[in-house]
Amino acid sequence: SQQGEEDPQALSIQEGENATMNCSYKTSINNLQWYRQNSGRGLVHLILIRSNEREKHSGRLRVTLDTSKKSSSLLITASRAADTASYFCATDSDDTNAGKSTFGDGTTLTVKP
Amino acid sequence: ETGVTQSPTHLIKTRGQQVTLRCSSQSGHNTVSWYQQALGQGPQFIFQYYREEENGRGNFPPRFSGLQFPNYSSELNVNALELDDSALYLCASSLGGGRVSYNEQFFGPGTRLTVL
Repeated sequence: SQQGEEDPQALSIQEGENATMNCSYKTSINNLQWYRQNSGRGLVHLILIRSNEREKHSGRLRVTLDTSKKSSSLLITASRAADTASYFCATDSDDTNAGKSTFGDGTTLTVKP
Repeated sequence: ETGVTQSPTHLIKTRGQQVTLRCSSQSGHNTVSWYQQALGQGPQFIFQYYREEENGRGNFPPRFSGLQFPNYSSELNVNALELDDSALYLCASSLGGGRVSYNEQFFGPGTRLTVL
């Protein structure tokens, strides 16, 4: 079963608006990552937040992590049509090797021009 | 810096056949992880190879097996293919070992496998 669950499953907004996606997970983690995937292709790494961090920014992206609630959010500000994609959160619990990640089923974001 | 590559891009097989998928890791990376992504779902972890040894396995049957070579490239083999094996197979490479759990993993473009 998937550890992460994204909410909402689908999101449709106008260009220029902000998009917020949420992720919940079940067990303790070392880090949480957000990925973007276009049309069933490979995943593009967006941002990694460590378990001892609460917020991280990268360009128009802002990620928060609340380990007490086992949840994270991804905010995309001033969205563009090119942001249309599926977004996944993934968690790593292993202490020595990244990559045994547990993914949710993603949020499909549609940004209308 | 060379990114993660996978071959082939697409593959069509029939039920019962065997398939081998290949992945070349990013330069400097010693760890390769394989994932299966069914349509409309998130990737599921199959297994990971670190320095040529299996280093963790997800909930997949033994007919899913793998190899990692001295140059850290990797193969995923699936025997006795079933219709449900139709999926996008992704590999990801990272730098493992020691306290490096904060390191990112970089994904290849995937191999689309269709089982008829």
